[in-house]
Amino acid sequence: AQKVTQAQTEISVVEKEDVTLDCVYETRDTTYYLFWYKQPPSGELVFLIRRNSFDEQNEISGRYSWNFQKSTSSFNFTITASQVVDSAVYFCALGAPNQGAQKLVFGQGTRLTINP
Amino acid sequence: EAQVTQNPRYLITVTGKKLTVTCSQNMNHEYMSWYRQDPGLGLRQIYYSMNVEVTDKGDVPEGYKVSRKEKRNFPLILESPSPNQTSLYFCASSSTGAGNYGYTFGSGTRLTVV
Repeated sequence: AQKVTQAQTEISVVEKEDVTLDCVYETRDTTYYLFWYKQPPSGELVFLIRRNSFDEQNEISGRYSWNFQKSTSSFNFTITASQVVDSAVYFCALGAPNQGAQKLVFGQGTRLTINP
Repeated sequence: EAQVTQNPRYLITVTGKKLTVTCSQNMNHEYMSWYRQDPGLGLRQIYYSMNVEVTDKGDVPEGYKVSRKEKRNFPLILESPSPNQTSLYFCASSSTGAGNYGYTFGSGTRLTVV
């Protein structure tokens, strides 16, 4: 069975600090996809990144970076020099086409608060 | 603008009163899905559809119905809502399979059943 665990329920940091959100996944599939979504206070879900299981290269997009390590089944998300606008709930998700093409399994979410 | 549109955004209803949450997408996506979001549980899939007239249960289908009579629409029906269905609901669509490419989500419907 597929499972995603985000052990950090809530994180609170001061603006400009770096912060890492952890994501650990479980799957028996060799082909799978990992995602991060952001849910700002307005409530919508915003896609951040998609990574397939064959690409372990780290990704950087501005202040955001993602570290994918198959050896530890982790797909962690780091925000560098955090800003108040980064305050949101962040979800990690796992998709495996062989398990049903329509399914994304989500973690519990991490609520990130950036204090001025 | 490419989007998934849900209505209403907010709804308060009483136990047992049938309701429908509408969902429409303008991207010609084949795949659509409904999720509910609850604190500490993340998002859980209720139902999904792979095409017109093709639907199937997700992880938490009890108490819900769906239909897919047209490609763009995927309404969620609560025949007899109960307080445990109080939640934030998201409709989502995908062109080639969410497992590969993820979903585009609607803005959400916050439902309260009293």
